[in-house]
Amino acid sequence: DVKVTQSSRYLVKRTGEKVFLECVQDMDHENMFWYRQDPGLGLRLIYFSYDVKMKEKGDIPEGYSVSREKKERFSLILESASTNQTSMYLCASSPTWEEQYFGPGTRLTVT
Amino acid sequence: QKEVEQNSGPLSVPEGAIASLNCTYSDRVSQSFFWYRQYSGKSPELIMSIYSNGDKEDGRFTAQLNKASQYVSLLIRDSQPSDSATYLCAVTGGGNKLTFGTGTQLKVEL
Repeated sequence: DVKVTQSSRYLVKRTGEKVFLECVQDMDHENMFWYRQDPGLGLRLIYFSYDVKMKEKGDIPEGYSVSREKKERFSLILESASTNQTSMYLCASSPTWEEQYFGPGTRLTVT
Repeated sequence: QKEVEQNSGPLSVPEGAIASLNCTYSDRVSQSFFWYRQYSGKSPELIMSIYSNGDKEDGRFTAQLNKASQYVSLLIRDSQPSDSATYLCAVTGGGNKLTFGTGTQLKVEL
């Protein structure tokens, strides 16, 4: 079974803080993704990576950056957290970028 | 127009009935189609994939694809209370990414 883990299930941060969300997969997948999920808006792609040190912007990259130094780990960084970044953050991995397997999610609250 | 459209529901069906979930998409070049199940407070779980026109069956689940009409559906036979969840349709698009619908909430009532 594919195992995707995320560093925290719940996180509370203050406005302006730098926030790191980490994702680790154990299936040697090339492709990894970060989404946020908001009621009524569905899943929106923030960034994805198809190889170590490679990254591509998704649909809503503003205010975020990513890092992929090792194949199994993909980090999402909120440079200066704002209240409109309060959301559920979901990491996914895939061998082919099509069939994606999700981690448990991190519910981030920015106050 | 949204790229992937689903009725948000809730769709209520009695236990043992067939639940029919529908999804339409706008990009004619889409090639791959997926259904995810998401329980409340949990992350999406891949349950079905379909790539060619017609039906694909897996246990109680059947995915149906009609590329000419640009719709994909998911049928759940013998619905159980444990099937109560939100079902997300996902479609491949340009740029090596999936586009997700906002999901249909299914409630299976005893």
